[in-house]
Amino acid sequence: QSILTQPPSASGTPGQRVTISCSGSSSNIENNNVNWYQHLPGTAPKLLIFRNNQRPSGVPDRFSGSKSGTSASLAISGLQSEDEADYYCAAWDDSLNGGVFGGGTKLTVL
Amino acid sequence: QITLKESGPTLVKPTQTLTLTCTFSGFSLSTSGVGVGWLRQPPGKALEWLALIYWDDDKVYSPSLKNRLTLTKDTFKNQVVLTLTNMDPVDTATYYCAHRRQNSGSLVEFDPWGQGTLVTVSS
Repeated sequence: QSILTQPPSASGTPGQRVTISCSGSSSNIENNNVNWYQHLPGTAPKLLIFRNNQRPSGVPDRFSGSKSGTSASLAISGLQSEDEADYYCAAWDDSLNGGVFGGGTKLTVL
Repeated sequence: QITLKESGPTLVKPTQTLTLTCTFSGFSLSTSGVGVGWLRQPPGKALEWLALIYWDDDKVYSPSLKNRLTLTKDTFKNQVVLTLTNMDPVDTATYYCAHRRQNSGSLVEFDPWGQGTLVTVSS
């Protein structure tokens, strides 16, 4: 069982907006930066959001991140078929003194 | 352009030691603030953070693997080596190395990652 909790699945139709949640605690999300990764099986995971809400260059502004207290969210607007992938949240955990990931959310574009 | 590539055995026997090499280009591991991390993903499971080595040779290990895991770097060869002792079938996973940026705000912020290498532990 992962330290950070994500819904196992999410779905939406092209053009829709979907949100993926990531729930943690004061030892991880609340007091540390949250990062989000997009992962298509068989490929290298890709950094999507860093420092809670920052996008690396090249990531479309359809992707946005937010954080409040012990929870974080990834929002994808204008959903496209190529967004179908697994999404992971990640943060440092001060109590464990290690990095922690969510269990991953499989996004399906219907 | 930064690239990383993992190499090593695809099959190891239980109790053996795994040695994986991450060969990278496009950055120097002697640059202040830069690091290389290792992560893994067992089949059908989530990503797991393993360890990070910094430009100054400081290292941070996952508490659950600390007794079995060692990272070393060769700055001139642009390589980082992961050693994991006493391998077990539960260690079967795709192992990734990844670049930690100079001004990163987290020890779990990596960009980019290598393609990964699948390591199977079986007798």
